[in-house]
Amino acid sequence: SYVLTQPPSVSVAPGQTAWIACGGDNIESFSVHWYQQRPGQAPVLVVYDDRDRPSGIPERFSGSNSGNTATLIISRVEAADEADYYCQIYDNNNDHPWVFGGGTKLTVL
Amino acid sequence: QLQLQKSGPGLVKPSETLSLTCTVSSGSISNSDYFWGWIRQPPGKGLEWIGTVSYSGTTYYNPSLKSRVTISIDTSKNQFSLKLSSVTAADTAVYYCARQDITIFGVIITYYFDYWGQGTLVTVSS
Repeated sequence: SYVLTQPPSVSVAPGQTAWIACGGDNIESFSVHWYQQRPGQAPVLVVYDDRDRPSGIPERFSGSNSGNTATLIISRVEAADEADYYCQIYDNNNDHPWVFGGGTKLTVL
Repeated sequence: QLQLQKSGPGLVKPSETLSLTCTVSSGSISNSDYFWGWIRQPPGKGLEWIGTVSYSGTTYYNPSLKSRVTISIDTSKNQFSLKLSSVTAADTAVYYCARQDITIFGVIITYYFDYWGQGTLVTVSS
């Protein structure tokens, strides 16, 4: 099945920008979706289709996707952004079509 | 606001069958625009897709679990269900149900999980 690779952890100071990478073979051929999961809570969709935001998600959350890397970008990071972040794709040419990355722990210093 | 409410036991004995049901409210499970999925998360680990069912009952399963998983949909009750047989301690996890929305860009189709139910820990232990 398709593999999505994420760094285990990313650290950023408040007010700075966080980049969370999601690597995969020619990932730009897929739409990438991102979820935020705070401790003890269900995941929340924060970016879909590479760069779109669901209603209620701050504009500080954005995304990009090129080549073999998709990126979740969180600008003006706040303490409340500290969470685990997961990328996900749908591969309809695979018998395991829905794939999640391993997750990245974002620490706000 | 769509809500998904999961029900089922929090403790299952080894070799038995884990059964969970997800009831959808403030929305119809019969809407052909959406799929309905199950995802799990072992303690301290990442998310794992278990399987998906369409409004018409078509199912898709994770190959690693396929021999033990059955997902069904009951449109009359606005519910979908998960059964996982022959469970072991490795099946201990927080189980989530979720709605899957679709985006179509020409020939590219993608699904994402836009609404999630609150997960609860299911422990496999004697």
